[in-house]
Amino acid sequence: DAGVTQSPTHLIKTRGQQVTLRCSPKSGHDTVSWYQQALGQGPQFIFQYYEEEERQRGNFPDRFSGHQFPNYSSELNVNALLLGDSALYLCASSFMWPPQGVYEQYFGPGTRLTVT
Amino acid sequence: AQSVTQLGSHVSVSEGALVLLRCNYSSSVPPYLFWYVQYPNQGLQLLLKYTSAATLVKGINGFEAEFKKSETSFHLTKPSAHMSDAAEYFCAVRMVEYDKIIFGKGTRLHILP
Repeated sequence: DAGVTQSPTHLIKTRGQQVTLRCSPKSGHDTVSWYQQALGQGPQFIFQYYEEEERQRGNFPDRFSGHQFPNYSSELNVNALLLGDSALYLCASSFMWPPQGVYEQYFGPGTRLTVT
Repeated sequence: AQSVTQLGSHVSVSEGALVLLRCNYSSSVPPYLFWYVQYPNQGLQLLLKYTSAATLVKGINGFEAEFKKSETSFHLTKPSAHMSDAAEYFCAVRMVEYDKIIFGKGTRLHILP
């Protein structure tokens, strides 16, 4: 059983460009959360997708957007890249049942984004 | 607002010695608490979680943590450190109503031979 997979592994972009990161959840999971981990920091919550809709959002500008597909995979898009967007982007998947349950989030290996 | 504070960005212990990584949380009600480990160039792996059942939680790789409401703490311990324990450890909190996890800044654990 494959765990959470992310692509690409590494990415180098220039300021002002746009980037798309991809995530495939663990088999059986229906919820995907995205986190940004800057160097030397803990991960910060960007947003979460469930049933193809954004369910929750952290304190990130609208330049960060996402999408979830019917097969539960997800994309993170970042427009107008800034140097400060350089970070490890982590995707985590979970199965949201029961709704108030403590379901574990399984993390992927991340995509390392470098903005020059 | 919830927050998590990890005391010590770097902790060094000798192989075979006790590991103690400190975590304090701020929340008006007892939240769910987690410890994650991150090895270099890898994602996060869940070590253990507190969900309002037993206050002493046992996790993988011999780690355990004790939830102390009066101290708002959730410190991570391991009786005997192993070289393979060298990694970054993150304490995290999640409110009951939401799936958003808030992470601390992390503690890098160094194991001395």
